[in-house]
Amino acid sequence: KNEVEQSPQNLTAQEGEFITINCSYSVGISALHWLQQHPGGGIVSLFMLSSGKKKHGRLIATINIQEKHSSLHITASHPRDSAVYICAVRGSQGNLIFGKGTKLSVKP
Amino acid sequence: ETGVTQSPTHLIKTRGQQVTLRCSSQSGHNTVSWYQQALGQGPQFIFQYYREEENGRGNFPPRFSGLQFPNYSSELNVNALELDDSALYLCASSTNLGGYGYTFGSGTRLTVV
Repeated sequence: KNEVEQSPQNLTAQEGEFITINCSYSVGISALHWLQQHPGGGIVSLFMLSSGKKKHGRLIATINIQEKHSSLHITASHPRDSAVYICAVRGSQGNLIFGKGTKLSVKP
Repeated sequence: ETGVTQSPTHLIKTRGQQVTLRCSSQSGHNTVSWYQQALGQGPQFIFQYYREEENGRGNFPPRFSGLQFPNYSSELNVNALELDDSALYLCASSTNLGGYGYTFGSGTRLTVV
């Protein structure tokens, strides 16, 4: 079992839909990261959170430390949101432990 | 504030050869970590350098080695390349082992033939 599990693996949505991507982890963490990866490979950091909820524009990230679960929500999705979204937790060595990612495709 | 730059962006090597990949760290960052991402998978931790010393290593053989320089830029060296080494190699810079977040480079895509 991977230390960081994401669901779903693939997600297709229509423009305007509300999207939720889930992440569960099995290790103790100091922080959880949500990242966005575009087809070229570059990764952009969206959120770093250790408790509660953060919001940036149409993106919302929540974390429940007791349940070891986090969600990334996208409101009013748009085709430009199409990307791979990756959940990662900060390991004991200070490195990141990544999930496999969720490939999101938003159709116009 | 400069971002993280990786070079080269693409590289093709022959099995058995050696390769060096480079990563500049963001201004003010003293930690660089390297990751290997195979197609369709999440990145896997190779190793991390903090203030010029290796400070953590993932499950990769010794033919994967690295350096960090006084300006905190870093190199990843891979000897005796194997076909399975074909992947996207990502570096991320941070301050003090990632306690304040990470900045990623765009990656180097290595193909071993």
